[in-house]
Amino acid sequence: SQTIHQWPATLVQPVGSPLSLECTVEGTSNPNLYWYRQAAGRGLQLLFYSVGIGQISSEVPQNLSASRPQDRQFILSSKKLLLSDSGFYLCAWALGTGYEKLFFGSGTQLSVL
Amino acid sequence: GEDVEQSLFLSVREGDSSVINCTYTDSSSTYLYWYKQEPGAGLQLLTYIFSNMDMKQDQRLTVLLNKKDKHLSLRIADTQTGDSAIYFCAEKTGGSYIPTFGRGTSLIVHP
Repeated sequence: SQTIHQWPATLVQPVGSPLSLECTVEGTSNPNLYWYRQAAGRGLQLLFYSVGIGQISSEVPQNLSASRPQDRQFILSSKKLLLSDSGFYLCAWALGTGYEKLFFGSGTQLSVL
Repeated sequence: GEDVEQSLFLSVREGDSSVINCTYTDSSSTYLYWYKQEPGAGLQLLTYIFSNMDMKQDQRLTVLLNKKDKHLSLRIADTQTGDSAIYFCAEKTGGSYIPTFGRGTSLIVHP
């Protein structure tokens, strides 16, 4: 069966520090991968998605970047965090069959102080 | 552009039925989904329906789709305290990789 791992679960970082959040999927090949941010427990903002290794589409221009160095690995990064980067970050995957049922990780609560 | 609207809160008594409503604007939506998010957790896919269907039932869950009015609803029968969560409606057209999510409805179940 397929599983998705996302870590860390909680992160407190000072303003201006770098960020690296990692997400890996097991039990499937060539998934579509997604990074979402949920601010204040409400609404989902799509940040990035990827349909293959090295293929990243950005939905919102901002202080963050994403990379997909391996088929089932998706990384969200920042060189210098801003206060506004605080939020709940969710990784998700889908089979890419067209139905696009998304399966979400357990999320990372990021607090930038 | 695409838009999915939901009311923000719904409060029900334990044992009653809950009905969470959603409207969308994209007439070419092909797939419609309901996700559940418990506090501090990721979203979990509850159920989905194709646009050529009117209704789908899965145990306590009933999804109704009115394609003419672009209205989707999720009915939870015999609502329990464990059903307290945020419920997200989402839609997607056939040619897109990206579902569009509503802002979520917080369901509060009280004794």
